[in-house]
Amino acid sequence: DAGVTQSPTHLIKTRGQHVTLRCSPISGHKSVSWYQQVLGQGPQFIFQYYEKEERGRGNFPDRFSARQFPNYSSELNVNALLLGDSALYLCASSLTGHDGYTFGSGTRLTVV
Amino acid sequence: GQQVMQIPQYQHVQEGEDFTTYCNSSTTLSNIQWYKQRPGGHPVFLIQLVKSGEVKKQKRLTFQFGEAKKNSSLHITATQTTDVGTYFCAGDSSASKIIFGSGTRLSIRP
Repeated sequence: DAGVTQSPTHLIKTRGQHVTLRCSPISGHKSVSWYQQVLGQGPQFIFQYYEKEERGRGNFPDRFSARQFPNYSSELNVNALLLGDSALYLCASSLTGHDGYTFGSGTRLTVV
Repeated sequence: GQQVMQIPQYQHVQEGEDFTTYCNSSTTLSNIQWYKQRPGGHPVFLIQLVKSGEVKKQKRLTFQFGEAKKNSSLHITATQTTDVGTYFCAGDSSASKIIFGSGTRLSIRP
């Protein structure tokens, strides 16, 4: 079985640009969550989706948005990129959103 | 908002010594999860604790969930070099957000 897949693996963007990150969950998993991880810190919760509906949102500005598709894959969009958005973006899938997460390898975003 | 605190931030031990990391939540949790992240890797799920006072073991790892369901600990007996990494607790308060602690980074002297 394929694990959680994220694309792209690395990305370099310029301040002010927009970025879309993609995630495919494990087959059968209906919940996808997004986290931002800055070096040396724990993952910071951004969004949780379950059955295509947003179920939870963290303390991130409205520049961050996401959606989940009928096949349970998900996109994270970030508008008007700032230097401080540089981080590892992790996608995690689970059956219900309240059981153990399986993380993807992440997308390393660098904003210059 | 919900906060999850973890101590210590770093621990450097001699191989064979024991290691413990502690996790405290500002709110009562429905469950707590533990993850391990190797340098350059992504978090890997270790275990989930659900019941008040629950204790679970995985080989040399012992996980505890406090009676009040607000704190937890991970204890590793006789550390090995393969235990190197950062250990995170993650608290689920049923508010549809699982909040990670800041992690404890374990390094080991061979």
